[in-house]
This record gives sequence, C-alpha cells and structure tokens, in this order.
Amino acid sequence: DAKTTQPPSMDCAEGRAANLPCNHSTISGNEYVYWYRQIHSQGPQYIIHGLKNNETNEMASLIITEDRKSSTLILPHATLRDTAVYYCIALMGFGNEKLTFGTGTRLTIIP
Amino acid sequence: EAQVTQNPRYLITVTGKKLTVTCSQNMNHEYMSWYRQDPGLGLRQIYYSMNVEVTDKGDVPEGYKVSRKEKRNFPLILESPSPNQTSLYFCASSLRGQQETQYFGPGTRLLVL
Repeated sequence: DAKTTQPPSMDCAEGRAANLPCNHSTISGNEYVYWYRQIHSQGPQYIIHGLKNNETNEMASLIITEDRKSSTLILPHATLRDTAVYYCIALMGFGNEKLTFGTGTRLTIIP
Repeated sequence: EAQVTQNPRYLITVTGKKLTVTCSQNMNHEYMSWYRQDPGLGLRQIYYSMNVEVTDKGDVPEGYKVSRKEKRNFPLILESPSPNQTSLYFCASSLRGQQETQYFGPGTRLLVL
C-alpha cells in the first residue's frame, strides 16, 4: 500500500469548509484513496473513498488531483462534532484483510 | 440500526484472570476483525475472520484467542491477561471483499493490573 502523508493538525472555524490534504505520491494505478475519522476514543468511521474521479456523499467530498499524487477531503460546513482525527489511506480496492492507519490529521473545529 | 456492539465497554482486571470481550454485528457481514489501539502505535490488527469457522492471525496475535462459531459473533479471549495487554480494543466487520469499508464498534477499554 502506498504511503500517505498528512499534516498533524489543523483548525477550522465552525460553519466553514474544512479542507484536509493528503499526499500519496507513490500511489499505484489500482489503489484507492480511503478516508476514515476517529472521534476521541470512539471506533474509526469510514467517510469516503475514490480512485480518480471526485466523489461526494452525505458526509464529505473527495477531490483527487489528476496525477493522483494528492487528494483533499472537504467537509463543507464543519460542526463541532467534526472534531476528530482524520486518516487518509491508500488501498487496493479488493479484499484487504486489515486497515493500517498512520497518525492522521487532528482537526479541531473552533466555535 | 446497523451496528457493531462490544461488551464490556470498560474493564479492569488483574493479571492472569481469564476474560472475554464480546463482539456482535447485525449486518450479516462475513468479515470480522479485532484491533488494538495504543498511543504512538496506531491501530494494530490482532485476529480476523473471513467467515464462520475461518480465523487467521493479524499482526499482534500473541496472548489472544478468537472463535467464530456464528456469523454475527466474534469474541476475543484473553486466557491469561498481562499488563502489556492494557489497551483500547475495537471490533470491526464488513462484507467479504469490501474490507476497505469496515464498520467499527465503540471500543473496549481494558486495564490489566
């Protein structure tokens, strides 16, 4: 699985869009970008994933650059409940037996 | 509501006293897994199961046992707990072939004295 790099921490004002970057310069052509988050001491929660096209669901949007070397998770209207550690991981899109999270980005939403 | 449940949520025990942490999911998932999370070490997989009666070791299986007799349940057994097993434990499940999108339980915080 390709290595990913994320900033250790970010702040965002409540109600604004939170943009969380992730670098994955060694990603291979058949690896997807997955995002999870973990609210303090709760179980990780799947957010979204994508291969090369931008994706959107009820939680977030995922923008992947054309060269696929980086991506951005967008929380369009951040709330205090979005304060969490966000993990970006690159995985083959079939049957990985385990998830391995790095240190992620600690996002703090400021009232 | 689709969910993964774990019990107990908090447990304090003493070295050597056998314990079981239960995990149950109501989504008819084939795949289930146990992780532990420790500061600075991230999430590490203990055991996983691809289906009933099929289990395999993860990265840190020493000191743990699991069983998968029913599809919905995947208990984690510590036969003789030691202080280095003090940790936050998570159970997760997914459809087979979709392990990239796992549903996690709320966690069990274990302290072994």
